[in-house]
Amino acid sequence: DTAVSQTPKYLVTQMGNDKSIKCEQNLGHDTMYWYKQDSKKFLKIMFSYNNKELIINETVPNRFSPKSPDKAHLNLHINSLELGDSAVYFCASSQAGTRYGYTFGSGTRLTVV
Amino acid sequence: AQSVTQLGSHVSVSEGALVLLRCNYSSSVPPYLFWYVQYPNQGLQLLLKYTSAATLVKGINGFEAEFKKSETSFHLTKPSAHMSDAAEYFCAVSATQAAQKLVFGQGTRLTINP
Repeated sequence: DTAVSQTPKYLVTQMGNDKSIKCEQNLGHDTMYWYKQDSKKFLKIMFSYNNKELIINETVPNRFSPKSPDKAHLNLHINSLELGDSAVYFCASSQAGTRYGYTFGSGTRLTVV
Repeated sequence: AQSVTQLGSHVSVSEGALVLLRCNYSSSVPPYLFWYVQYPNQGLQLLLKYTSAATLVKGINGFEAEFKKSETSFHLTKPSAHMSDAAEYFCAVSATQAAQKLVFGQGTRLTINP
């Protein structure tokens, strides 16, 4: 059983399209995150939800909208995709903050053409 | 605010040699510190963590790291490199209070020469 699963693994789409990435965790964790990894491998937090409540919203364009229907799921919807959105997006989860670290999903490689 | 600096974006060692990956952190409060490994086209896997217990932390795959408060460092070592250790390594920090997120370093690519 995959602990944190993301779908799809690869996503190729044209500029201007709208797309979604889904994330599910079966660890019973109370907090979920979205991170963006750019072409230089730099990881930056985008959003964090604790028990369905948004607790971190970094300076992300409002074309990105997270949704957490329950504490086991955190989806990311992106409107009007731009070339600069091409990256690997990682979902992660944790229990009780960061004390025990995160469990990461395997990532979604988004390519905007 | 917390930050992490990893010295050296690329480290190359011979198989069987010592691996040393450097990480310095900045934090205004006692930190939690982590090392993650990322193999190609995969997610990040936790190697080890420091959460204010023993300063020498042992992790998976023979890696260990030592927390040195006076030097604000948390360097990762492995006595003898194996070809399978080739990967990207990330150091990360968070504050113990209001620990809401991990802040990652820029990563160090480890190459193992046969």
